[in-house]
Amino acid sequence: AQSVTQLGSHVSVSEGALVLLRCNYSSSVPPYLFWYVQYPNQGLQLLLKYTSAATLVKGINGFEAEFKKSETSFHLTKPSAHMSDAAEYFCAVSVPGGGNKLTFGTGTQLKVEL
Amino acid sequence: DADVTQTPRNRITKTGKRIMLECSQTKGHDRMYWYRQDPGLGLRLIYYSFDVKDINKGEISDGYSVSRQAQAKFSLSLESAIPNQTALYFCATSDPRGSGANVLTFGAGSRLTVL
Repeated sequence: AQSVTQLGSHVSVSEGALVLLRCNYSSSVPPYLFWYVQYPNQGLQLLLKYTSAATLVKGINGFEAEFKKSETSFHLTKPSAHMSDAAEYFCAVSVPGGGNKLTFGTGTQLKVEL
Repeated sequence: DADVTQTPRNRITKTGKRIMLECSQTKGHDRMYWYRQDPGLGLRLIYYSFDVKDINKGEISDGYSVSRQAQAKFSLSLESAIPNQTALYFCATSDPRGSGANVLTFGAGSRLTVL
């Protein structure tokens, strides 16, 4: 079975600073990996996905993530945080042929301070 | 209108009551899912359905049942609600084909409180 671990349930950055949200995965087969964002009182919205093409994936709102097989990681980054980035971020994994069933991490709450 | 619509958005009920959460979608997707979100636990899969005649249990199906009334409708029922079923419930859809393959589209969520 596949799983993901998100390190840090809460991350705080200053506006304009680098955002780094960590995600490590476990999977017995090459996985598909995703980052979703959840704004208050809303559903989850896809930020980006990795499905075995380029290892550096660019998403919406200036976010990107790099798939590193040797480190079993898929960390999310953004060069310069904006106040509007404050939200909860979820890393998720699925496996090819698995019916798009996602296994989610426990989430990281991002706070952006002035 | 939203692609995935959940009703009700908020519900407070008492222990032992039967509750139904409804989900409808206009995306034309065959695959539909129910997830539960709890603080600090992320989202966990309750049930999923690949078409009207195909329904499968997820990792936490005990205490829940589902009905796929049509391609566009997937309902989640709690036959006898208990307090530890207090949570935020999400419906999602997906299509294995095309550019959106492997991506889940989520509804806005249904917040359930069981007293």
